[in-house]
Amino acid sequence: DIQMTQSPSSLSASIGDRVTITCRASQSITSYLNWYQLKPGKAPKLLIYASFTLQSGVPSRFSGSGSGTDFTLTINNLQPDDFSTYYCQQSYNFPWTFGQGTKVEIK
Amino acid sequence: QVQLVESGGGLVKPGESLRLSCAASGSTLSGFHMNWIRQAPGKGLEWLSYISGTRDYIMYAESVRGRFTISRDNAKNSLFLELNSLRAEDTAVYYCARAVGCSATSCSKGFVYWGQGILVTVSS
Repeated sequence: DIQMTQSPSSLSASIGDRVTITCRASQSITSYLNWYQLKPGKAPKLLIYASFTLQSGVPSRFSGSGSGTDFTLTINNLQPDDFSTYYCQQSYNFPWTFGQGTKVEIK
Repeated sequence: QVQLVESGGGLVKPGESLRLSCAASGSTLSGFHMNWIRQAPGKGLEWLSYISGTRDYIMYAESVRGRFTISRDNAKNSLFLELNSLRAEDTAVYYCARAVGCSATSCSKGFVYWGQGILVTVSS
């Protein structure tokens, strides 16, 4: 199985900050890396797919990069709605696997 | 707008069974690649099972293989997950999700559409 290691597990940031979350795969997944936002009681939301492609309707302050084994999610100009938990996920090979999650909290 | 709505959750005892359903509105499920994913309390997301649009390709996570069964009824625009031999560690919110851009083992767009989730609690 492909293991996805996300870091940090949590972080504190202020409105307007730039936040970076990393995700490392245990083997190459080329660009089959997706990022999701989870909020309690709401349906998870796809933010970025194929490493860097912004899902329709997602604000441009979200961006993704990387290929192979190392990936990054960046949130520029952090907004109140962005305080949430973020997960990376590989869709390269079964079983599809998620990172452990990164909780972004208000400083 | 695609909407997915899960149902069938609840409280069951260890060893019992449950059948989850996922109904689609705003779009047909037919031909689309569907999945079940769960989140246990305080834990992260765990992919459980996949069924291809034509039902000819089904995959399971090791943690549920042999106990859970995924199926679909395209005529009823519904996806199902049969949960058998339930354990306390199966307690979770269960989501159905539609994957997009899929080939045999990979999906280029990941899980684009999700339901709100349904809670399954396994406790004596």
